[in-house]
Amino acid sequence: GAGVSQTPSNKVTEKGKYVELRCDPISGHTALYWYRQSLGQGPEFLIYFQGTGAADDSGLPNDRFFAVRPEGSVSTLKIQRTERGDSAVYLCASSSLVGAGANVLTFGAGSRLTVL
Amino acid sequence: AQSVAQPEDQVNVAEGNPLTVKCTYSVSGNPYLFWYVQYPNRGLQFLLKYITGDNLVKGSYGFEAEFNKSQTSFHLKKPSALVSDSALYFCAVRGLTGANNLFFGTGTRLTVIP
Repeated sequence: GAGVSQTPSNKVTEKGKYVELRCDPISGHTALYWYRQSLGQGPEFLIYFQGTGAADDSGLPNDRFFAVRPEGSVSTLKIQRTERGDSAVYLCASSSLVGAGANVLTFGAGSRLTVL
Repeated sequence: AQSVAQPEDQVNVAEGNPLTVKCTYSVSGNPYLFWYVQYPNRGLQFLLKYITGDNLVKGSYGFEAEFNKSQTSFHLKKPSALVSDSALYFCAVRGLTGANNLFFGTGTRLTVIP
């Protein structure tokens, strides 16, 4: 696609529920990234994929968070047993790994998660 | 660990005046440095990057940044500010060698006063 697409744009859920957030990267981008941004803060790195595998998942805060990218394109961020502290905007980005676009992340508009 | 610091939460500048948004970095090895901008209700947008070469990097919308190794700084600059430049600006550094993920600063809100 022309840009990085994230769905849903807004999600309101109750504490303890399970949530899935979807990211559709730019076609052909090998790398995909998930970040979390709380109000007044910079984006916080969560996980980074090269192709289908997670190259770095050191930013996932705990084992309630999990992400997959089974076919090397679309990715899903999964949050189990949501807590109020999980409320944030979840940002997805993608990039190529070669050429002039290497290291330049293109971000989606984000999915705003509110846990009541 | 790689990190960046943005010492100013807020910068105000009059329209037409030069602007500077500050960033300092801490890295092992050669730094890959970036500036991104976030307009209200919009996603983060890439402005410019420094990988190697000329210390003065030019980017989108007339912005530029100067890499200073001795001061470990990468300040964002523009000779003449526009009201439309008002936004949230983030400095970022690439992760360890071989990685592509970025680590962002806390952001600086720039307000250009008409």
